[in-house]
Amino acid sequence: GDSVTQMEGPVTLSEEACLTINCTYTATGYPSLFWYVQYPGEGLQLLLKATKADDKGSNKGFEATYRKETTSFHLEKGSVQVSDSAVYFCALDQNDMRFGAGTRLTVKP
Amino acid sequence: DTEVTQTPKHLVMGMTNKKSLKCEQHMGHRAMYWYKQKAKKPPELMFVYSYEKLSINESVPSRFSPECPNSSLLNLHLHALQPEDSALYLCASSQPGTHTQYFGPGTRLTVL
Repeated sequence: GDSVTQMEGPVTLSEEACLTINCTYTATGYPSLFWYVQYPGEGLQLLLKATKADDKGSNKGFEATYRKETTSFHLEKGSVQVSDSAVYFCALDQNDMRFGAGTRLTVKP
Repeated sequence: DTEVTQTPKHLVMGMTNKKSLKCEQHMGHRAMYWYKQKAKKPPELMFVYSYEKLSINESVPSRFSPECPNSSLLNLHLHALQPEDSALYLCASSQPGTHTQYFGPGTRLTVL
């Protein structure tokens, strides 16, 4: 069945460092791909999405490109802030939503 | 407006209590979802309503009873829960076929 694998955390970075969180997927068709962010004590917020191959989703300085050839949707940000500290979930949706395990990011001043 | 609201924010209940969680959206979405999220885990799908009809029940115990009284509201009725049911319960909504779900802030449930 469809599944998502994302890099194990936790990830700890200093402010202004570059971020990459790897995400790969397995699906029989052409799913939509998502990154959701969950701040402490809150629900999930849609961060960005891409619905077809080579689409780039972007929001708040975060980017991810739908790579069909490598079945990947890696999340990147050039300069992280303390306020980016959260858990990030990669997800796909074809018939139902499948989440990765989540990656906890901590950004230190 | 991409807001899904959930009440209450926190709920503590005993194993013999009956309580309800509420979810509301005014985005005109016709699909609504209940998820359960344990600490440090991703959300797990419980129920899906599409056009106010239950379309998916992921083998959830009968002590959880969903209800969709209209296209904007989704309830989750709780009865005789167990301590292991303590979790964050998330509601989400989407337009059928769009694959983009919008989540509420969740209800933090503690069963004593």
